[in-house]
Amino acid sequence: SQQGEEDPQALSIQEGENATMNCSYKTSINNLQWYRQNSGRGLVHLILIRSNEREKHSGRLRVTLDTSKKSSSLLITASRAADTASYFCATLPGGGADGLTFGKGTHLIIQP
Amino acid sequence: GAGVSQSPSNKVTEKGKDVELRCDPISGHTALYWYRQSLGQGLEFLIYFQGNSAPDKSGLPSDRFSAERTGGSVSTLTIQRTQQEDSAVYLCASSFPGYLQPQHFGDGTRLSIL
Repeated sequence: SQQGEEDPQALSIQEGENATMNCSYKTSINNLQWYRQNSGRGLVHLILIRSNEREKHSGRLRVTLDTSKKSSSLLITASRAADTASYFCATLPGGGADGLTFGKGTHLIIQP
Repeated sequence: GAGVSQSPSNKVTEKGKDVELRCDPISGHTALYWYRQSLGQGLEFLIYFQGNSAPDKSGLPSDRFSAERTGGSVSTLTIQRTQQEDSAVYLCASSFPGYLQPQHFGDGTRLSIL
């Protein structure tokens, strides 16, 4: 079942601008992860944030997590054409390792 | 190879036939996952293997779906008596054990049921 809901479903911006995507989820989590998927390819892990963390950075990526609101955001700064892809948040339920529950994704288009 | 390998990359078959999808995980990864991605349902977890433990089959949509993992490495997902709603991309992922480990995905098998 889908737990995460990304917002917006689609986003088109100019190269160099920042892109922000949001994710909401419903149940308690162990951690939240963001993945990228290029057309016709598998998912690539971007960043993981634990339930007791509030913010995490990796290169041009910044992720925040608000467990009280059951929401997360992914910020990509100084976007590039190569960032064009679909982005998914995924949650791991509390209680132990298991399969990830994915949202429906945000399709990001970077206009050169 | 260095990544998760899935075969075939594309499979077209007639309704009612059985299909087998293969996943070769990254060497050393003891955890292996199968997911299904379709336009209507998005990404769905199907089954999870960890080492030699009994698999978590909680995500399998029906008893027509089964999976095995031989020798703790290669896995096959079998769909019997395929239906048109089985059309989807089937993704395999592997990871080191533990809930903080990122999952590494293959490029998937695109299954089309005619």
